[in-house]
Amino acid sequence: AQSVTQPDIHITVSEGASLELRCNYSYGATPYLFWYVQSPGQGLQLLLKYFSGDTLVQGIKGFEAEFKRSQSSFNLRKPSVHWSDAAEYFCAVTPAGGFKTIFGAGTRLFVKA
Amino acid sequence: GAVVSQHPSRVICKSGTSVKIECRSLDFQATTMFWYRQFPKQSLMLMATSNEGSKATYEQGVEKDKFLINHASLTLSTLTVTSAHPEDSSFYICSAVLGTSNEQYFGPGTRLTVT
Repeated sequence: AQSVTQPDIHITVSEGASLELRCNYSYGATPYLFWYVQSPGQGLQLLLKYFSGDTLVQGIKGFEAEFKRSQSSFNLRKPSVHWSDAAEYFCAVTPAGGFKTIFGAGTRLFVKA
Repeated sequence: GAVVSQHPSRVICKSGTSVKIECRSLDFQATTMFWYRQFPKQSLMLMATSNEGSKATYEQGVEKDKFLINHASLTLSTLTVTSAHPEDSSFYICSAVLGTSNEQYFGPGTRLTVT
């Protein structure tokens, strides 16, 4: 069955520290991959996406993600976290050429001073 | 560009009444829109796929007679929660697909509270 796993329900990092949020997927073929961020009571904002090509993708707000086919992973990284990055982060996958998106359970990021 | 709005942003209604939520793509046309439901501290669950000019496709377990979806134009899809009950209280989010891309643009969500 198709699935998206975000193993960490929540993560706490110090401001200025680096961040990595994990995402693994289970799909028959390489899907399209996305990371979204959601602030409380808000909709989702796209951080970055991977369709094909360079496996290291750059996004907004200083985020990047690396697609690793061998590990079926698409982990999100940021070298230096800011307090404003505290939010919920969702990894999502869509079958290549399709529309229907499956979301991971989300990872809540807490940033401490 | 690619902005999606939802109206209302929050609504409180009494049990047994119906509530309509609008989803609009403001600066692009969207043949396909999606409706999601999100319970507190949980992920988004796809409810249905809304296609302009045709009937919506509902996910398994979603009652089509309870959650009526109308996609009457390329910029507007509506979700009507009929005979709402407290268990329908949730955060409803729509998204719209830009052209033939695989990118969804999300609305800000609608918080529904049924008393």
